[in-house]
Amino acid sequence: GAGVSQTPSNKVTEKGKYVELRCDPISGHTALYWYRQSLGQGPEFLIYFQGTGAADDSGLPNDRFFAVRPEGSVSTLKIQRTERGDSAVYLCASSFGQSPNNEQFFGPGTRLTVL
Amino acid sequence: AQKITQTQPGMFVQEKEAVTLDCTYDTSDPSYGLFWYKQPSSGEMIFLIYQGSYDQQNATEGRYSLNFQKARKSANLVISASQLGDSAMYFCAMRDLISGYSTLTFGKGTMLLVSP
Repeated sequence: GAGVSQTPSNKVTEKGKYVELRCDPISGHTALYWYRQSLGQGPEFLIYFQGTGAADDSGLPNDRFFAVRPEGSVSTLKIQRTERGDSAVYLCASSFGQSPNNEQFFGPGTRLTVL
Repeated sequence: AQKITQTQPGMFVQEKEAVTLDCTYDTSDPSYGLFWYKQPSSGEMIFLIYQGSYDQQNATEGRYSLNFQKARKSANLVISASQLGDSAMYFCAMRDLISGYSTLTFGKGTMLLVSP
């Protein structure tokens, strides 16, 4: 079956521009997560959706970052007024549930470069 | 405060030998889960193995085993009979009630290089 997919795989933009990153989770997975991975670091949590609602957005660094999941499936991470420090790989993951042993399946990531 | 600590930035091992990747964690929650993920150069995070805090036995999955020492708060990954394809970054991660069961907290990772 299909895994988690993310588009685009690479995105180069200029400082100050707006970008959207898309995540298509595994069919039937109700939980969806966004992480950001900077060079040489492990992924850091950004936001978590259970269904259509953002159950936990405590990891979003500031109000330039926003994410939606309007129909409980595909999610879009939106970054306004991009800054060079936003350059990172943005990973999306999904899981069937949210108990401690539920495995999160990760997508290949979107590499964002802000010039 | 750092919750997952991986002290080995890089490890080298020869093909067919075993290697241990270290991971220590910090939580005051009695209920938590520990995960190991592999990240090859392609970038995708691949789940390897899971250990629950209440599991009585160490987890094993094929060539992967987890040396879980609860009192020491360590969850080291053991890879037996290393293969060239094992060369990758390896991340230890934890989910606990304090962070919220929703999120994984990752360590900084260990780069494993397997030589012929």
